[in-house]
Amino acid sequence: GENVEQHPSTLSVQEGDSAVIKCTYSDSASNYFPWYKQELGKGPQLIIDIRSNVGEKKDQRIAVTLNKTAKHFSLHITETQPEDSAVYFCAASRGNYGGSQGNLIFGKGTKLSVKP
Amino acid sequence: EAQVTQNPRYLITVTGKKLTVTCSQNMNHEYMSWYRQDPGLGLRQIYYSMNVEVTDKGDVPEGYKVSRKEKRNFPLILESPSPNQTSLYFCASSFQRQVGDGELFFGEGSRLTVL
Repeated sequence: GENVEQHPSTLSVQEGDSAVIKCTYSDSASNYFPWYKQELGKGPQLIIDIRSNVGEKKDQRIAVTLNKTAKHFSLHITETQPEDSAVYFCAASRGNYGGSQGNLIFGKGTKLSVKP
Repeated sequence: EAQVTQNPRYLITVTGKKLTVTCSQNMNHEYMSWYRQDPGLGLRQIYYSMNVEVTDKGDVPEGYKVSRKEKRNFPLILESPSPNQTSLYFCASSFQRQVGDGELFFGEGSRLTVL
């Protein structure tokens, strides 16, 4: 079935360094790739997303890149700050399988720790 | 304030005792969904609903039921809870204007323990 692999599962960086989280997906019909941030005790929140007709998107310190040929996409956080510490989930939209069109498949998450 | 509200936030129950986790959104969203979050497994979809009276199974529907009688509400029902349903549950909603579109708005989560 469809799958989204996310790496690494944990990531520790010094404040000010960059952090990169990578995901690969299996469904060639996927065309929407959001990233969610989950702070402790809260629900996930969308931080950035990208569509299949775009290779890269930036929003201040965060950026996402997409390589459709290789079926992988990555989240880049520059100049990390302690408030970036959270669990990050990548996701990919499903294709037209079994009526679940448009639903998201989530990766297993990356726990990012930014040390001051 | 736009939000997704889940209740209860915390619940400890015993095997076999039926329970319902309520979910309500005030954003007039068509799409609603339930996820469970377990350590090392990420977010897995239980059920979803594209609109009123339309529901469908996600990846892990066994042991759960849902209903969508009104646009704003999407309760999750555990008819006979078992210990393997101990988990953190999230309700989410979205406009879902087109396939794969739409920011998902998540509730704050409901932590359920089944003894």
